[in-house]
Amino acid sequence: AQSVTQPDIHITVSEGASLELRCNYSYGATPYLFWYVQSPGQGLQLLLKYFSGDTLVQGIKGFEAEFKRSQSSFNLRKPSVHWSDAAEYFCAVDGNQFYFGTGTSLTVIP
Amino acid sequence: EAQVTQNPRYLITVTGKKLTVTCSQNMNHEYMSWYRQDPGLGLRQIYYSMNVEVTDKGDVPEGYKVSRKEKRNFPLILESPSPNQTSLYFCASSLGVYQPQHFGDGTRLSIL
Repeated sequence: AQSVTQPDIHITVSEGASLELRCNYSYGATPYLFWYVQSPGQGLQLLLKYFSGDTLVQGIKGFEAEFKRSQSSFNLRKPSVHWSDAAEYFCAVDGNQFYFGTGTSLTVIP
Repeated sequence: EAQVTQNPRYLITVTGKKLTVTCSQNMNHEYMSWYRQDPGLGLRQIYYSMNVEVTDKGDVPEGYKVSRKEKRNFPLILESPSPNQTSLYFCASSLGVYQPQHFGDGTRLSIL
């Protein structure tokens, strides 16, 4: 069965520090993977996607993610976090049905 | 402007009173779906539709109905709402399967 695990419920980082949000997936075939961000009171916005090819994908707002098939992971990274990055982040896998992880809440402290 | 529009944005109602949440997209997308978001559970798919007149159950379809009579509209129907359906609901659309989804702003339902 398909599933997505985001092990970190909540992460706090200082502004300017680097960020890595973890995502592990379970899927039988080549996965279609996504990261979405949800700001308070808003819908979800696509940050980036992986379909095939280069395993390091670039997204909006300076985010990137690396697909590692051997580890079934698709971790999201950003070299320098801004206060406006505080939000909820969701990893998702698409295999006909869309499966979301439970989300990681990011707090950014000045 | 490309968008997914949900109405209403907020609704408080009582157990057993039928309600419909509308969803409309203006991007000519084939694929539409409904999710509910609950604390600690992330988003769970209720129903999805790959095309007009084609709908399928997601992970949590119990207590919900949908229809897809036109490409642009995908209403979510709660025939007899119960308190455990109190949640934040999102409609989404995409060009097709395996494509990024565009989300509406959400509908917060409270069933008393």
